[in-house]
Amino acid sequence: AQKVTQAQTEISVVEKEDVTLDCVYETRDTTYYLFWYKQPPSGELVFLIRRNSFDEQNEISGRYSWNFQKSTSSFNFTITASQVVDSAVYFCALSEGNQGGKLIFGQGTELSVKP
Amino acid sequence: GAGVSQSPSNKVTEKGKDVELRCDPISGHTALYWYRQRLGQGLEFLIYFQGNSAPDKSGLPSDRFSAERTGESVSTLTIQRTQQEDSAVYLCASSQTSVQETQYFGPGTRLLVL
Repeated sequence: AQKVTQAQTEISVVEKEDVTLDCVYETRDTTYYLFWYKQPPSGELVFLIRRNSFDEQNEISGRYSWNFQKSTSSFNFTITASQVVDSAVYFCALSEGNQGGKLIFGQGTELSVKP
Repeated sequence: GAGVSQSPSNKVTEKGKDVELRCDPISGHTALYWYRQRLGQGLEFLIYFQGNSAPDKSGLPSDRFSAERTGESVSTLTIQRTQQEDSAVYLCASSQTSVQETQYFGPGTRLLVL
């Protein structure tokens, strides 16, 4: 069965620190997609990244980077030089190839960045 | 362009009443999804539409929950005889097609059942 685990419920860092949010997934499909979304205090989910199971290249977008490792079924998210505006709940999600696109979400990691 | 919109943004109702939640997807998006987010929890999938058909209703928690969609446009999620455990934020998302395309979310409807 498909499952996404975000073991870190809450993380608190001081501004400019680097922080890594962990995501471990389970699936029996060979074709799947992984996503990260940000949910700021306003509540609306903001899309960050989508990766397919055939592309293990790491990705960097500004201060954000993602490390996808199929060998450990992980898709971790790192924020470099964190800022107060990064404070939010971050969700990792999985979509399997034969499931019509529905997303299976982890429980989320609440990141608090203090000045 | 306009994003996904949902109405109402907040709804307070009494236990046993019916409620209707509305979602307007991004224009041209053929796939539409409903999720529920309980306080402090992740999102739970409820149902998805491809056009106006619903290939996957597996997440609907009981027969009190139903949804419909008109063409590739507005969708309505109806909860009959609401219970206190239905209190949650109901989020709608749309994507261009159903096959693992990125889903863009609306702001949600916060439902409180007293």
